[in-house]
Order: sequence, then structure tokens, then C-alpha cells
Amino acid sequence: KAGVTQTPRYLIKTRGQQVTLSCSPISGHRSVSWYQQTPGQGLQFLFEYFSETQRNKGNFPGRFSGRQFSNSRSEMNVSTLELGDSALYLCASSLAGGTYTGELFFGEGSRLTVL
Amino acid sequence: DQQVKQNSPSLSVQEGRISILNCDYTNSMFDYFLWYKKYPAEGPTFLISISSIKDKNEDGRFTVFLNKSAKHLSLHIVPSQPGDSAVYFCAASASGGSNYKLTFGKGTLLTVNP
Repeated sequence: KAGVTQTPRYLIKTRGQQVTLSCSPISGHRSVSWYQQTPGQGLQFLFEYFSETQRNKGNFPGRFSGRQFSNSRSEMNVSTLELGDSALYLCASSLAGGTYTGELFFGEGSRLTVL
Repeated sequence: DQQVKQNSPSLSVQEGRISILNCDYTNSMFDYFLWYKKYPAEGPTFLISISSIKDKNEDGRFTVFLNKSAKHLSLHIVPSQPGDSAVYFCAASASGGSNYKLTFGKGTLLTVNP
């Protein structure tokens, strides 16, 4: 069974630009979550989608947005990029998103560098 | 305000010995705890979890202990192997309401020396 697929794996942008990252969850998984990992900060929750609805959002500015499509694939967008947005962006999928029942399956991440 | 804390950024142990990774939390609403392992250039992978109704969960070489009164959990790896060298993240969640997120610690880099 294919895992969580994230594209692109690496990208370089300049300040002020915008970026869109894509995530294809494991087949059958309807919940997709996004996390940002920066050096020394661990993983910080961005948002979670289930059946095209955002159910929870982390403490990030409005420049960070996301959406989920009917086939459960998800995209996240960051507008007006800042140097501090340089990070590994991780997507995770699960059957229903209820973290108390099980674990998340993570993709390999998209490494964003902002110059 | 960091709700999940891993106070040791790194830990080094000898092959065959026990590795103990620690995690503290502050949010009393957390009732489910997980450990993830992450190798460089890979996404985190689930390792083991524990519900707040238990104080111990074991899976092969990995055991997680939960002390709710101290708001502390630990991951024991026995015996440690060089392949266990990775960053270990502690995570927590609250089942109540519509909370569909994990709160992670900053991670502990474990190095197992041959």
C-alpha cells in the first residue's frame, strides 16, 4: 500500500513569493494534517482536514492556508514568504483523524528554503 | 508556552544498554501519548503509544511508562541497537471535543554507539 506522498520534496523561493505544497494521503485515509518542523522547534501543528473541511487550525498567521479535495488530496499554501518560513513541511494522514485512537502516517516532507 | 517538553536534546548510549528518553507535559487534558522516531530525510514513523488509563505499554524492545501525577512519560529501549539512532519525538493529544491534532516535543537525538 503506497504511503503518504508529498510534492515537491525540495524547493527554493525568495521572500515575498508564494508556494503551494501537495499531499496525497494513503488510500482510504480521509484525514490530512500538516505540520511545520524547524530546527530546534519540533513539529508544530498547522491544520487538519477531513472530508474537505478544516476541523482544527494551529497558531499560524493567515498567510498559511490549506484545502482538501474530494479525493482527500490536500494542498497547503504560504503567501508572502518570509525567511522564517524556511522549514520542513510534513503532511500526515489517518483514517479519521481521531488522534486518540491511533497514529498518524507521515510523508517524507517538503523542504522549503526561503532566500 | 510549550505543553510537551523533551528536556534532553541528545542522548548517547552504548549498544546493548538501555536507552531512556524522557518527556514532560503540562496540559491536564492530554490523555493519549505517542512516540515517533525520525531518521534524516524521512518523515516521522509511529513507534508506540499509551492511553492515560494505563501506566505501561510494551512492544518488543520498546516500553513506554506513564506517570500521570507527575505528568511524565518515558520511553525505554532495551537493548539499544545502532539502528535505533534517530530523533525521537514525544507527542500528546486530548480526546475531548474536536481536537484533531498532536502536540509534539522538540525531540531527542539518540545515538547508539557500536
